[in-house]
Formats: sequence, structure tokens, C-alpha cells
Amino acid sequence: KAGVTQTPRYLIKTRGQQVTLSCSPISGHRSVSWYQQTPGQGLQFLFEYFSETQRNKGNFPGRFSGRQFSNSRSEMNVSTLELGDSALYLCASSQPIAGGRGRHEQFFGPGTRLTVL
Amino acid sequence: AQSVTQLGSHVSVSEGALVLLRCNYSSSVPPYLFWYVQYPNQGLQLLLKYTSAATLVKGINGFEAEFKKSETSFHLTKPSAHMSDAAEYFCAVTPSGGYQKVTFGIGTKLQVIP
Repeated sequence: KAGVTQTPRYLIKTRGQQVTLSCSPISGHRSVSWYQQTPGQGLQFLFEYFSETQRNKGNFPGRFSGRQFSNSRSEMNVSTLELGDSALYLCASSQPIAGGRGRHEQFFGPGTRLTVL
Repeated sequence: AQSVTQLGSHVSVSEGALVLLRCNYSSSVPPYLFWYVQYPNQGLQLLLKYTSAATLVKGINGFEAEFKKSETSFHLTKPSAHMSDAAEYFCAVTPSGGYQKVTFGIGTKLQVIP
């Protein structure tokens, strides 16, 4: 099976611009989570989509949004970029355990490195 | 609500020495616990997971972790460090029921000294 893919791998934007990142999960996985990783902050959870519905949400401003398509591919959008949005953005796919007993482990993509100038 | 505390943002060990990376969790329900490793410029890779079966879990690359409910801990160990173990390690927790988000610790950077 192919792994989780993210495009683009690197991105440079200027303040005030907007950006769209894309994530393709492992085939058959219906859940996609997005994380922001910065030095000293670890992985900060942005949101999670499951079967095209936002299932969980982190504590990020409304400038951060996402969506999921019927083929489970997901995009996240950041509008009005700020310098502090410079980070590695990771997406991860997973599947629920049958019977509502939780979730299996997440599989991560290589990330998109966003630099805001 | 759940949380994870990783004690020590940086740990240094000599090559061949024991690796011990600490993780304590807080969860209102029985948890599932994970350890991930991240090499530079890469995503996270699963090392091992605890999902309420055996409390001693063996993972890849010689790592293992023991779930101790009384201590709310899930420390990661490896008997003998290799240079290739130098990376950042993340502990993560999620509730065992439902489909809730995964909460990660802040990470521990492991340095292996030759």
C-alpha cells in the first residue's frame, strides 16, 4: 500500500497570503488528521475529518480550515498568513477499531514545510 | 480529557548504554498509548502501541515499553543505544472508546554519543 502523501513538500509565502495544503491518506483510510509542528511546541492538533465530516477540532483560529473529499483526500487552508504560521504541517490517516472501541494508530505523511516571510 | 507529559526534552546517552525515555499520561478513561519516532525532515513513524492487551509491548528497532496503570506511565526503553537511534520521540494518548483525537507529548530529542 502506498503511504500518506502530502503536497507540496515545501512552500514559501508572504504575510497576508493564503495557502492550501493537500493530503492523500492510505487507501481505505477514512480519517485524516492535521497537525502543526513547531520547535518547542510539539505537535499541535488542528482538526480531524472522517468521511467528509469534521470530527474533532483543536484550538486554532478560524483562519485555519479544512475539508475532506469523497475519496478521503483532505485539504487544509490557512488564510491571511502570519509569520507565526511558519511550521511543518503534518497529516495522518487512520481507521477506527470495529465496535466503537477506539482507533488504530495513525500513519503520517512527510509533511509540508511552510515558511512565511 | 487526556494529556501526556514527557520528562526531558533532550536526553543524551552513550552508544551501547540503556535508553530510557519517560512518558506519563492522564486520561479519564482507559487509554491507548503510542510511541512514535521522527527523523529529521520526515513524518512520524510508529514504534509501538498499547491497546489494552499485554502491558509489556515490544516494538521495532529493539524498543519496548511497559504500561503501568498505577504510575500512569508508559516509558520507552532500549537495552543498547545505536547511533541510528538519534531522533525525536513522541508519546501519544487517545481514549480506548469512541473516536477521539490523539494527544501528543512535546517530544524528547535523543542524542547518542559515540
